[in-house]
Amino acid sequence: GENVEQHPSTLSVQEGDSAVIKCTYSDSASNYFPWYKQELGKRPQLIIDIRSNVGEKKDQRIAVTLNKTAKHFSLHITETQPEDSAVYFCAAGEAAGNKLTFGGGTRVLVKP
Amino acid sequence: EAGVVQSPRYKIIEKKQPVAFWCNPISGHNTLYWYRQNLGQGPELLIRYENEEAVDDSQLPKDRFSAERLKGVDSTLKIQPAELGDSAVYLCASSLGVVGRDEQYFGPGTRLTVT
Repeated sequence: GENVEQHPSTLSVQEGDSAVIKCTYSDSASNYFPWYKQELGKRPQLIIDIRSNVGEKKDQRIAVTLNKTAKHFSLHITETQPEDSAVYFCAAGEAAGNKLTFGGGTRVLVKP
Repeated sequence: EAGVVQSPRYKIIEKKQPVAFWCNPISGHNTLYWYRQNLGQGPELLIRYENEEAVDDSQLPKDRFSAERLKGVDSTLKIQPAELGDSAVYLCASSLGVVGRDEQYFGPGTRLTVT
């Protein structure tokens, strides 16, 4: 089955700096790679996703890159703000509607 | 539009007792998922429904866990009897089930504590 590894497990950045989280996956059949943000005690919220037919996607301050050959994808957050502090999860699946395998999460702390 | 609704939000039970969780997906979403999230970890899929049919239940511990989605809308997840290791957040998610518009949206979860 699919295995997703996520690094780092914790990330502390100064407000205004960039944050990068990296994930690797094992199953070459995976074609869908979402990122979820989870604040303490809240539901995971989909913030951006990428499908295997594109290499990069951007939405305002967040972007995701995908390298299918190397089986890794990354989340980039620019101009970080305190409200970006949360746990971020990457995931992989054959399709968005299929089973998603999640990484272990990255706790991001943005210091004002 | 209303999001995925789950109840109860919190549940504390003693081991060996039964417990049930309820989920109401986003209106019109045909696919429903139950995930379990242990503390400090990512969610893990327990079961996936397409309408009334369970299409992936390979991760569901069938000796004590059961689920149903009788009319293809609401769903119930049951544990009987509960064990200490079942303490976790149980998340329900739903998706439209249409290729290209099948992102998964999560509910707030039910935090289960087994004592």
